[in-house]
Amino acid sequence: AQSVTQPDIHITVSEGASLELRCNYSYGATPYLFWYVQSPGQGLQLLLKYFSGDTLVQGIKGFEAEFKRSQSSFNLRKPSVHWSDAAEYFCAVGGSGNTGKLIFGQGTTLQVKP
Amino acid sequence: DGGITQSPKYLFRKEGQNVTLSCEQNLNHDAMYWYRQDPGQGLRLIYYSQIVNDFQKGDIAEGYSVSREKKESFPLTVTSAQKNPTAFYLCASSPDRSYEQYFGPGTRLTVT
Repeated sequence: AQSVTQPDIHITVSEGASLELRCNYSYGATPYLFWYVQSPGQGLQLLLKYFSGDTLVQGIKGFEAEFKRSQSSFNLRKPSVHWSDAAEYFCAVGGSGNTGKLIFGQGTTLQVKP
Repeated sequence: DGGITQSPKYLFRKEGQNVTLSCEQNLNHDAMYWYRQDPGQGLRLIYYSQIVNDFQKGDIAEGYSVSREKKESFPLTVTSAQKNPTAFYLCASSPDRSYEQYFGPGTRLTVT
C-alpha cells in the first residue's frame, strides 16, 4: 500500500537560512509526487510536482525538490527562507489504480525566526 | 477567475443535526474530492467523484454522504451518525485523473 512519511513534525529555522523538509514514500512503481503548502486556516497550494524526467524539479516561491528513487525520498528545499514561508507543508503521493487519489503525509510545520 | 469555492468558511451546528457543506468549481475539472483535516493527522479522504452521477468512498466515509449531480458541484453532508464531526473540511478538484489537485479555502465545522 502507498504511504508517505514526513519525519519532522515541526521545524524552526532562522530567516535567511536554508531549509530542507523530508519526505519518504512507499510505492511499488514510479510515483507521482507533490508538495503542498498551507497557511493557517487556508486551503492547500501546490508548490511543485514530479511525474517523470528530471529528478530535480523547480516550483513556485523559490522552492525545489529532488526525487531520489534509491532512497524513496522527495525532499523539499529552499536556499534562503523568508518569514512568509512559515506555514504547514504536506508531501503527497499518487499513482495507484488510475483513481486520481493522493495519499498525504502528516505535514511539517515550519516556523521562521527573525 | 477560475477556482474552487467553499461556503461557508465557518459553520456551527448542534449535535444531532445534519449539515451540508458546499463545494463549487469553475475549472471544468472532472474529478472532485472531499478531505477532512484534523491537527497532526494530515488530510484524510472522505469521498471522491471522477464523473458526474458517480462517486466512491474514501478512507473515512462513515457518517458522510455526497452527491454529484452537476460537474461543477460536489456537496458534502455530515450526518448525525458522524461521531466526531468537528474538523476542517477541504474540497479539491482535478482534471480527469491526473493526480494534480487544486484545493478550495476550506470550511471549519464546529458541532457542539
